[in-house]
Amino acid sequence: DIVMTQSPDSLAVSLGERATINCKSSQSVLYSSKNKNYLGWYQQKPGQPPKLLINWASTRESGVPDRFIGSASGTDFTLTISSLQAEDVAVYYCQQYYSVPFTFGQGTRLEIK
Amino acid sequence: EVQLLESGGGLVQPGGSLRLSCAASGFTFSNYGMHWVRQAAGKGLEWVSSISATGDGSTKYTDSVRGRFAISRDNSKDTLYLQMDSLRPEDTAVYYCAKGPGSSAFTPSDYWGQGTLVIVSS
Repeated sequence: DIVMTQSPDSLAVSLGERATINCKSSQSVLYSSKNKNYLGWYQQKPGQPPKLLINWASTRESGVPDRFIGSASGTDFTLTISSLQAEDVAVYYCQQYYSVPFTFGQGTRLEIK
Repeated sequence: EVQLLESGGGLVQPGGSLRLSCAASGFTFSNYGMHWVRQAAGKGLEWVSSISATGDGSTKYTDSVRGRFAISRDNSKDTLYLQMDSLRPEDTAVYYCAKGPGSSAFTPSDYWGQGTLVIVSS
């Protein structure tokens, strides 16, 4: 199984500041023939289902604010929120869908400092 | 507007069975892979099972449910199912139905239902 390890487990950032969440996969999730990383980022607010923010490691979903940025370097993936807004308080998860089981990271709780 | 409405959850004794349903609307159901993801109270997300769009109907399962759970779809009814047998207390969770953005099972989940709660307890 591919293990997805997120860091940190929790994070407190001031409004307007940058938030960075990391996710490391235990093996590559790059589909070479398509040159795509099979990696998604989700946001889950209390009492709500998750929401897909980013797929293929760096493609923002329609309607997602451009302050959410996904990037990749090998087996290291990063979700950056460039200027934290109050509505961004949530738990964030990464997920690989490259190989079964499609594993999630353990989640990162983002709060306002 | 894409809508996914789960039903069928409830309280069941260990060893019992439940069938979850997910009624889909707002998109051409038969064209998309579908997923089940669960979340125990206060815990993270756990992928459970996926099925590809019409065609080979390829199915995938996490190891802990393989042989006990069966995912299926009825494209004539725009409905996804999860038959859960030999239920265990550790299967207790909110079960989410989710849609993929393509026909393959190897996709993220771009739309989610609100979830249905399954409690396995005596």
